[in-house]
Amino acid sequence: AQKVTQAQTEISVVEKEDVTLDCVYETRDTTYYLFWYKQPPSGELVFLIRRNSFDEQNEISGRYSWNFQKSTSSFNFTITASQVVDSAVYFCALSTPYNNNDMRFGAGTRLTVKP
Amino acid sequence: EPEVTQTPSHQVTQMGQEVILRCVPISNHLYFYWYRQILGQKVEFLVSFYNNEISEKSEIFDDQFSVERPDGSNFTLKIRSTKLEDSAMYFCASREAGGLRPTDTQYFGPGTRLTVL
Repeated sequence: AQKVTQAQTEISVVEKEDVTLDCVYETRDTTYYLFWYKQPPSGELVFLIRRNSFDEQNEISGRYSWNFQKSTSSFNFTITASQVVDSAVYFCALSTPYNNNDMRFGAGTRLTVKP
Repeated sequence: EPEVTQTPSHQVTQMGQEVILRCVPISNHLYFYWYRQILGQKVEFLVSFYNNEISEKSEIFDDQFSVERPDGSNFTLKIRSTKLEDSAMYFCASREAGGLRPTDTQYFGPGTRLTVL
């Protein structure tokens, strides 16, 4: 069975602070994919990143960075120098090719960035 | 850039009525999905569809639900007799193909907000 845990329900920071959103996953499959999506107040799901299980290289995209560690089954997301526009709910998700790649989402972390 | 579209953006219906939510996946995609998000909760998988049949469904996807690809472009979710607890945002997603290529990411539509009164 696949499971994603986002233990942080809500996080509030002040603009320009760095913030890390935690994601821990469970799967018995050796091949899997991890994702982060952003859901702004408008409700759509905005794709941020996809990681394959065989690629543990960390990634940086502008102010966003992701730390994938198979040893701890974690895929954490850091926003550097946060901005008000980063305020949203962020979902971590997991899929595997063994179940047709349907996605299992975590409960989400609501990030509020105050000016 | 190609995108998944969904109509309507908001549907209001009376309990017990049938609703059909429509999705147009990205044109060269082969795998299609429906997800549900009750307000304030996580996104939940409902069903996946490939080669004109259901590939997998969750325990949420009971006999009240059905999916169809009536033509080459649309992918629909039907709820036969809506209940109050069906009120949620419904997301459609599509994916190009299987395997481990970067194109295997699911792309989500903007969602249809269903309100059952």
